[in-house]
Amino acid sequence: NAGVTQTPKFQVLKTGQSMTLQCAQDMNHEYMSWYRQDPGMGLRLIHYSVGAGITDQGEVPNGYNVSRSTTEDFPLRLLSAAPSQTSVYFCASSYGTGAGWFFGQGTRLTVV
Amino acid sequence: AQSVTQLDSHVSVSEGTPVLLRCNYSSSYSPSLFWYVQHPNKGLQLLLKYTSAATLVKGINGFEAEFKKSETSFHLTKPSAHMSDAAEYFCVVSDRTGGGNKLTFGTGTQLKVEL
Repeated sequence: NAGVTQTPKFQVLKTGQSMTLQCAQDMNHEYMSWYRQDPGMGLRLIHYSVGAGITDQGEVPNGYNVSRSTTEDFPLRLLSAAPSQTSVYFCASSYGTGAGWFFGQGTRLTVV
Repeated sequence: AQSVTQLDSHVSVSEGTPVLLRCNYSSSYSPSLFWYVQHPNKGLQLLLKYTSAATLVKGINGFEAEFKKSETSFHLTKPSAHMSDAAEYFCVVSDRTGGGNKLTFGTGTQLKVEL
């Protein structure tokens, strides 16, 4: 049972480049979310999904897009990378209300 | 709106002594509360969760937390610290509106365990 798998683990982008961070879970969870972690700020919600075909914005959505075509996958797209998007990104999934969330190992992104 | 305040950004204890990591929350509705641990360069692991059952919640690795509604607190404790407990700990609240699908994280408490 792999849990939540994120790829890549590390990435360096140039300003203006686009890329997609991949997230897949094999637990048949309906809920999935993307967070970014910055020093001293905890984790902040970027986008989330309550099921295939349904997504919504979190606290810091600007510069990011998501889609949820299947239950298993929830990719995060950076449209035009900026240095302010340098961060560690975590994908998470859950059964839902009151259930704990399972986190991936993170993607460390640097934008130069 | 919901929010979480972790009262200490850094806590240092000696191995074998008790651990107390403090967390206060604010939530408009009956919340679910969690503690997660993050070891260096790792993902987050769920330590324990409160979802309106028993107010004293036991988690993994000897940690426990007590939900006190009157004090809006959910402090994390462990009777005896171990070197392997050194990590960053996050208190997290999730309210039950909208299916409880939004987590709000505290800013984290870095626990240092000394010999």
